[in-house]
Amino acid sequence: EAGVAQSPRYKIIEKRQSVAFWCNPISGHATLYWYQQILGQGPKLLIQFQNNGVVDDSQLPKDRFSAERLKGVDSTLKIQPAKLEDSAVYLCASSSIRGPKNIQYFGAGTRLSVL
Amino acid sequence: DQQVKQNSPSLSVQEGRISILNCDYTNSMFDYFLWYKKYPAEGPTFLISISSIKDKNEDGRFTVFLNKSAKHLSLHIVPSQPGDSAVYFCAASLGKLVFGKGTKLTVNP
Repeated sequence: EAGVAQSPRYKIIEKRQSVAFWCNPISGHATLYWYQQILGQGPKLLIQFQNNGVVDDSQLPKDRFSAERLKGVDSTLKIQPAKLEDSAVYLCASSSIRGPKNIQYFGAGTRLSVL
Repeated sequence: DQQVKQNSPSLSVQEGRISILNCDYTNSMFDYFLWYKKYPAEGPTFLISISSIKDKNEDGRFTVFLNKSAKHLSLHIVPSQPGDSAVYFCAASLGKLVFGKGTKLTVNP
């Protein structure tokens, strides 16, 4: 079974530029999550999708971050415009509603550096 | 406001000995707790979990203990192996997962 795929693995941009990350969850997983992990911190949930609907986006900075999951499969997370403090690893995770409770499977992440 | 705390940033143990990683939480409503392991340049990998209605769960060399009255859980690894060297994250669930900052475990040969 293929795991969660993310691209790109690394991205370097200048502040005020825009950037997009892509995630393809494990096949059949209805729930998809985007996390932000700043160096030295644990992952922080940005947004959770159930199929193509948003379940929780309470911690998503909506003035600059947006995410979509068209057709309930893969997802994109966009930052526009980027700030220095957005430098972090962006992790995508997925889970099955029929699987073990609360277990999320993570991709390798995209490391973003904003200069 | 950190709801899940891992107060030890790092831990070093000898191969074959026991590793004990600790985690404290503040919200008594958390109903599930998980441990994830993370190697450099990889995403976190699920290791073991425990429901709030239990006080112990074991899986091979890994055991998680939950003390609800103290709002404390711990992960025991016995015996520790060099391949266990990684960052370990404690996470608590109340619908969504809340992660601690992680503890870097180094197992020396």
